[in-house]
Amino acid sequence: QVQLVQSGAEVKKPGSSVKVSCKASGGTFSSYTISWVRQAPGQGLEWMGRIIPILGIANYAQKFQGRVTITADKSTSTAYMELSSLRSEDTAVYYCASKGGAENYWGQGTLVTVSS
Amino acid sequence: QSALTQPASVSGSPGQSITISCTGTSSDVGSYNLVSWYQQHPGKAPKLMIYEGSKRPSGVSNRFSGSKSGNTASLTISGLQAEDEADYYCCSYAGSSTLEVFGGGTKLTVL
Repeated sequence: QVQLVQSGAEVKKPGSSVKVSCKASGGTFSSYTISWVRQAPGQGLEWMGRIIPILGIANYAQKFQGRVTITADKSTSTAYMELSSLRSEDTAVYYCASKGGAENYWGQGTLVTVSS
Repeated sequence: QSALTQPASVSGSPGQSITISCTGTSSDVGSYNLVSWYQQHPGKAPKLMIYEGSKRPSGVSNRFSGSKSGNTASLTISGLQAEDEADYYCCSYAGSSTLEVFGGGTKLTVL
């Protein structure tokens, strides 16, 4: 059973960056695909991107290209999502998820609030 | 890549069946049998209910079923129960460039 534990809530100023972590336990980290999905207050789910840790290759949704960076540290079984040039519309709960067929695990979510 | 189109809300009485549609394009839903459906209760992370169009993960009730016709995927919940009241999201593979796209979500109310 895979468990994903995310870092705590963040409050950021507009224009700054935030880096959210997602630590995996159980299973083999390098064989996962870790996706990042966000959910603004009262809104739907939005796919941001994913990384394949064993390859170190990340793919991003067009909307976030140039503003998001997803990385993975195999030595600590931790994935990271960094979002830059934050604006108020980036206020959301950010989830990491390990998804592959029937195997589907989500972190608890990290609330990022962007406010001046 | 635009989000997949879902009805904003559906409702049904206990014991009834409801169907939630998810309309995409020939670039996503229509091209791949890789639609998944998630259930989300308030304040909780999404839970996978259907994957690869019609497969149920272990532990998911057989009251949940998925299907697809052309560019539209559907989730059917039979024998509605109060605990089914939640938001439901479809998600489709959308090719090697975009990878994944979600629907806007459907709020299910059990009357």
